[in-house]
This record gives sequence, C-alpha cells and structure tokens, in this order.
Amino acid sequence: ILNVEQSPQSLHVQEGDSTNFTCSFPSSNFYALHWYRWETAKSPEALFVMTLNGDEKKKGRISATLNTKEGYSYLYIKGSQPEDSATYLCASDNNAGNMLTFGGGTRLMVKP
Amino acid sequence: EAQVTQNPRYLITVTGKKLTVTCSQNMNHEYMSWYRQDPGLGLRQIYYSMNVEVTDKGDVPEGYKVSRKEKRNFPLILESPSPNQTSLYFCASSPRRVRSEQYFGPGTRLTVT
Repeated sequence: ILNVEQSPQSLHVQEGDSTNFTCSFPSSNFYALHWYRWETAKSPEALFVMTLNGDEKKKGRISATLNTKEGYSYLYIKGSQPEDSATYLCASDNNAGNMLTFGGGTRLMVKP
Repeated sequence: EAQVTQNPRYLITVTGKKLTVTCSQNMNHEYMSWYRQDPGLGLRQIYYSMNVEVTDKGDVPEGYKVSRKEKRNFPLILESPSPNQTSLYFCASSPRRVRSEQYFGPGTRLTVT
C-alpha cells in the first residue's frame, strides 16, 4: 500500500487569509496526482489532475503545483472565504491508472 | 444530468444479512471504483473495474464482491456483513482509466450491528 500524506490535518484561518497545504506521494511509477474538494455531507469533487513535473494549475482562487521528482504537491487558496471550508484530498496514481491512493485530507475551516 | 447514483443512501442492517449497494453512472464511463471512508483513515479503494467484465481488487477487498455486467452499473455486494464494515461508501467513475478525474456518487452510510 502506497503512502500518501497530507499536512496539516486541519487548519483554521480568517476570511481573507491566503493558505496552502502539502501532499507528499511516492515519486516512483508516478502517473498522476489528483486534488479533490470535499464539503461536509456532500461527495468529493475534482479540482485538478496533474501529471507533469513543474505543472501548475489554477481554478479561480485555488491553484496547485507539482514536483514529481521529489514527490510533493502544494495546494494554495488565495483570500480564503467561508465557502472554501471543506476537506481537501489529494490522491496519487502510481499504478497506470488502476488505483488511486488517497491521503488523509486537510480540513480547512475559514472563519468569517 | 450527468451523475453517479447510489442506493440506498443509508442502511442499518445486522451481521450476516447479505446486502447489495447499487451504483450507476449515465456518462458512459469506462472506469468505476468503490471506496470506503473511515475516520482517520481517509478514502480506501475496495474494488475497481476498468471495463465491462473486468474487475480487480483494491487495497481493502476482504468481505466484498463486485460485478460489472453492464458499463453503467457496478454493484457492491456484502455476502455476510460484519460490524467492521460499518462505514461510508462511495462509488466513483471516470471517463478513462489513466489521468482522468473521478466523479463520486453521493455516498452510502452503512451500519452493521
């Protein structure tokens, strides 16, 4: 079983703060790194699928970077809003698309 | 509307009573998967299917069965449920096997007493 780790486990920020969290994953046999946003009582929704070393993707105030050589990805949220409160999951594909291994998630709470 | 559906959404059952959780997607996706989510453990893959009649074990397959007789359906079968299978279950699908985002169903909360 692969080891995908996310830090921190939880994070409290004030509205307007920018924040970032980390996902570390095995760099061997790497195919893709996924980020999902999971709101309470809902299903996880895809944010990004990243494949290339040095890749950077952006969706509104959320962006992500990828370093496949050292096995980490950062997720950034600029100017956090209360509606950004959710658990952010990363998942690594190290098996040619057959399986995703998820990290434990970072739970973000944004206070108004 | 493109979606993944699961039924039932909530189920309380007793040890040993066979049950099936259905999963259906209307997006013609090739790849489907089942996950369970437990506090402190994150999402763990139970089984996956790359296409019709092609299924394989994930990280935690013990106590579960699946089938993929049609492209749209991927039921999860618990032949003899036990309390350690109490969990939140998600079905997911994706258009392609590799490098493709997954679309998750609404989840099924199962309690086995």
